[in-house]
Amino acid sequence: GQNIDQPTEMTATEGAIVQINCTYQTSGFNGLFWYQQHAGEAPTFLSYNVLDGLEEKGRFSSFLSRSKGYSYLLLKELQMKDSASYLCAVYGGATNKLIFGTGTLLAVQP
Amino acid sequence: EAGVTQFPSHSVIEKGQTVTLRCDPISGHDNLYWYRRVMGKEIKFLLHFVKESKQDESGMPNNRFLAERTGGTYSTLKVQPAELEDSGVYFCASSQGPLGTQYFGPGTRLTVL
Repeated sequence: GQNIDQPTEMTATEGAIVQINCTYQTSGFNGLFWYQQHAGEAPTFLSYNVLDGLEEKGRFSSFLSRSKGYSYLLLKELQMKDSASYLCAVYGGATNKLIFGTGTLLAVQP
Repeated sequence: EAGVTQFPSHSVIEKGQTVTLRCDPISGHDNLYWYRRVMGKEIKFLLHFVKESKQDESGMPNNRFLAERTGGTYSTLKVQPAELEDSGVYFCASSQGPLGTQYFGPGTRLTVL
């Protein structure tokens, strides 16, 4: 079967660093995405990994290990506006559909 | 550049009624996807268009759901007749090519009473 696991909720402090983990088990793999979603809004694209390693984009970085079926999203210098749901999604198998985890709700506290 | 837009943003209907959701993808994106999020669950794939052709409709729940993309531009998703379990948020996404980054619309929140 296809399965994406990520923690349901996390809490962090403004200015700190937080790491959101995602593990996946899919019949195939063609890339992993991280999206940010504020309540009632569209999921917005943050990062894409298809090869092993770290992709850095400003305060956000994403890591992938295909052999371990594992990714993480690293958020640095947290700001209050980073409070949102973070969605891990995989292009799995021979199709073009994204398979999503349930999302991690991050609360940034002062 | 305009993003993916969806209409309406909210719809409240009674069981047995019909509802049509609309999605306008990013201009030039041949790939259009429909997803649904039921409360408390993950976002799940419904179907995928390439231009006006249905590439994959393996996620459509049953034959009460009908998606079209005439002319390969905007798409509609019709639910007829609606049932209580159809309530959720329906997202549309588009991408330029296959396996490209999918850009999502804000969703239509459907409530069936």
